[in-house]
Amino acid sequence: SQQGEEDPQALSIQEGENATMNCSYKTSINNLQWYRQNSGRGLVHLILIRSNEREKHSGRLRVTLDTSKKSSSLLITASRAADTASYFCATRIKGGNTPLVFGKGTRLSVIA
Amino acid sequence: GAVVSQHPSWVICKSGTSVKIECRSLDFQATTMFWYRQFPKQSLMLMATSNEGSKATYEQGVEKDKFLINHASLTLSTLTVTSAHPEDSSFYICSAPFPDTGELFFGEGSRLTVL
Repeated sequence: SQQGEEDPQALSIQEGENATMNCSYKTSINNLQWYRQNSGRGLVHLILIRSNEREKHSGRLRVTLDTSKKSSSLLITASRAADTASYFCATRIKGGNTPLVFGKGTRLSVIA
Repeated sequence: GAVVSQHPSWVICKSGTSVKIECRSLDFQATTMFWYRQFPKQSLMLMATSNEGSKATYEQGVEKDKFLINHASLTLSTLTVTSAHPEDSSFYICSAPFPDTGELFFGEGSRLTVL
């Protein structure tokens, strides 16, 4: 079953602008992760935020998590054309041998 | 980091044939592996959980006789698409949790095209 819902489904911005993608989920989680996927390629893990964390940074990425609203956001600052890809949030209800459940994704286009 | 390898990375087959996709954890043992399917411009959908030495667990709506999963060793899980049809054309991705940490590592995916 699909856990996460991302919005927007598609986002087009100019190079240098910031891109914000949102994700909502339905059940309690252990952690939430964001992945990038270039067209027709595998997944690239971007960042993981645990349920007891509210914000996390990694380079130009900033992720927030609001467990009360069951939502997360991914902010990419100073976007580059190379950031063009699909971005997915994925949740895990607990650790160990449990799968990730992916959201529908946001297709980001960064125009040079 | 840990490596999960899939083979083949792409395959084209005729309708009615069966195709096997392998997922290997190269530097760790995985008692569980997860298989996902991704149609064009869509998200990854969990198909099944592969369990070493026992039967796979399939998600609702996934035909177990159509998608045969074998997890014969601690480093290898296989997905066989039997009697493939054009609607089975998709991107198939596996993942495996690293022992102790449980961190999931993904294979590069296998693109299946059924003519």
